[in-house]
Amino acid sequence: DGGITQSPKYLFRKEGQNVTLSCEQNLNHDAMYWYRQDPGQGLRLIYYSQIVNDFQKGDIAEGYSVSREKKESFPLTVTSAQKNPTAFYLCASSMRAANQPQHFGDGTRLSIL
Amino acid sequence: AQKITQTQPGMFVQEKEAVTLDCTYDTSDPSYGLFWYKQPSSGEMIFLIYQGSYDQQNATEGRYSLNFQKARKSANLVISASQLGDSAMYFCAMREGGNNDMRFGAGTRLTVKP
Repeated sequence: DGGITQSPKYLFRKEGQNVTLSCEQNLNHDAMYWYRQDPGQGLRLIYYSQIVNDFQKGDIAEGYSVSREKKESFPLTVTSAQKNPTAFYLCASSMRAANQPQHFGDGTRLSIL
Repeated sequence: AQKITQTQPGMFVQEKEAVTLDCTYDTSDPSYGLFWYKQPSSGEMIFLIYQGSYDQQNATEGRYSLNFQKARKSANLVISASQLGDSAMYFCAMREGGNNDMRFGAGTRLTVKP
């Protein structure tokens, strides 16, 4: 079945450690996105990518990094510079048109040890 | 600047009744799309319904319909015949024609009472 796979489902980070969240899609979508969601809040855009080897910062990119080496994959690294990383992270993908919805993965919950 | 506004943090509805969730938006782009998503407690985001800025008719998908008032810049979601499984967070989102990102509102938590 086509879809978006995020892994791991739960992740724990130690102080000063970088962690990478995986996002893979087999929908043949050009665009991919990363969002952060804090408890009881909406989604805030971290980074997005419209094509391979290109990505743009969203509203809260500081302390995060991404890469887009393959169309299917858009990993997110939460660096040690992100001082408050505890949140729910959602990856999404879509076709590049205003009338196309984003399709989401099941999310990764990141916590600090 | 906040582009999507959902003014109802929480809503309650009796089972089998209809409920309207409010959403207003702000854009100067004549081409845009409006989306509604449902997020159950498990966390996944489920796409419900889409309305395009040039669509002449309000969108409908099963029990979901969108009350689109372009001049007022509002795109309210109407859920008819509410079910207990409709209890969730609901997010309104907008995608402008000139951009490839999508902006979300703060969400409304809907609780359906038996």
